[in-house]
Amino acid sequence: LAKTTQPISMDSYEGQEVNITCSHNNIATNDYITWYQQFPSQGPRFIIQGYKTKVTNEVASLFIPADRKSSTLSLPRVSLSDTAVYYCLVVNTGRRALTFGSGTRLQVQP
Amino acid sequence: NAGVTQTPKFQVLKTGQSMTLQCAQDMNHNSMYWYRQDPGMGLRLIYYSASEGTTDKGEVPNGYNVSRLNKREFSLRLESAAPSQTSVYFCASSPSIPTVPNSPLHFGNGTRLTVT
Repeated sequence: LAKTTQPISMDSYEGQEVNITCSHNNIATNDYITWYQQFPSQGPRFIIQGYKTKVTNEVASLFIPADRKSSTLSLPRVSLSDTAVYYCLVVNTGRRALTFGSGTRLQVQP
Repeated sequence: NAGVTQTPKFQVLKTGQSMTLQCAQDMNHNSMYWYRQDPGMGLRLIYYSASEGTTDKGEVPNGYNVSRLNKREFSLRLESAAPSQTSVYFCASSPSIPTVPNSPLHFGNGTRLTVT
């Protein structure tokens, strides 16, 4: 099972772009990367997933280099409402459940 | 569209009491999950049900039991509550097992349980 490492916390200001990098050195060939977001007092919600290169949706972009040993979640022009914990997960398709780490606590200041 | 509904939202128990946390989803999902989240920490999997009629232990099953009542409902029971079970409990569901691409977990808003 691939272990992930991500910063414990990050601070940003409104309007800035935020990049959260996750390391997963022992990712397996069939694993893919997924990110969840958790607001205070709520359950996590799915943001984005990807296998390689770049994926973009209405919420974020996910950049995965060719070696796939890391990935970067990019949040464009953050607002106060983006203050949350962001979880990077490496998903092994041979398993039946997801394992969450401690995530990155993003605090956006005005 | 309610999604995943958990009841109760808050509960205080005394040590040794029992209770059942209820979870229901209206998305016709096959898989359902129970996680707990302690302050400042990530989520730990307690039990899951990959499909109706099956249940399996997760990382921290001790002290808990589950019942997949039907496709919609998945309950978590604490038979004899202990202070170490003070936590926020999240139920989640997914169309298939969430390790399959495009089958993300959908979470409820949690039950905040305090055991004194």
